[in-house]
Amino acid sequence: LAKTTQPISMDSYEGQEVNITCSHNNIATNDYITWYQQFPSQGPRFIIQGYKTKVTNEVASLFIPADRKSSTLSLPRVSLSDTAVYYCLVGFFFKTIFGAGTRLFVKA
Amino acid sequence: GAVVSQHPSRVICKSGTSVKIECRSLDFQATTMFWYRQFPKQSLMLMATSNEGSKATYEQGVEKDKFLINHASLTLSTLTVTSAHPEDSSFYICSARPQRQGGLFANTGELFFGEGSRLTVL
Repeated sequence: LAKTTQPISMDSYEGQEVNITCSHNNIATNDYITWYQQFPSQGPRFIIQGYKTKVTNEVASLFIPADRKSSTLSLPRVSLSDTAVYYCLVGFFFKTIFGAGTRLFVKA
Repeated sequence: GAVVSQHPSRVICKSGTSVKIECRSLDFQATTMFWYRQFPKQSLMLMATSNEGSKATYEQGVEKDKFLINHASLTLSTLTVTSAHPEDSSFYICSARPQRQGGLFANTGELFFGEGSRLTVL
């Protein structure tokens, strides 16, 4: 299983773009990269998933370089409600292990 | 997106009693479900992998006789905390992975999580 490394915490202000990078040096060929968001006392919520290059949906973008050893979650114009823990997971149809995640705190 | 429902969302019990938590996939079939526990300000810790029609696979350090998992159908897995003690108080979360099929969930391995169940053992 590919181990992931993320910053423990990040601070930002409302309206700013936030980029959270995840390292996964031993990612396997079949592995997808998935990001989840978790609010206190709730289950994680899917944000975005990708395999290579760039993926964009209505809430975020995911940038994956050619070597796939890292990925960057980009949240455009964050708001106070984006304060949460963000987890980067790497895997494909196997058991999923959560890393420590990144605690994002958005200030007014 | 797909919906996974957990019940109950909160439960308080006395020490020594058993508590059952249900995890249901509401609009898809899941041959595999996962159970996690989460302590305050910590990440999710995988407890076991629940496979429909077979025994669950437990992670190292998780007592299988203490945390009984049953995955009787493609839409339901249950976690029973037996003889609960205060140290079992935690936030328990399940997730489900849809069966591989064409369409939205094909080849993505995406997990859908329940809302979580907070267990407090007095």
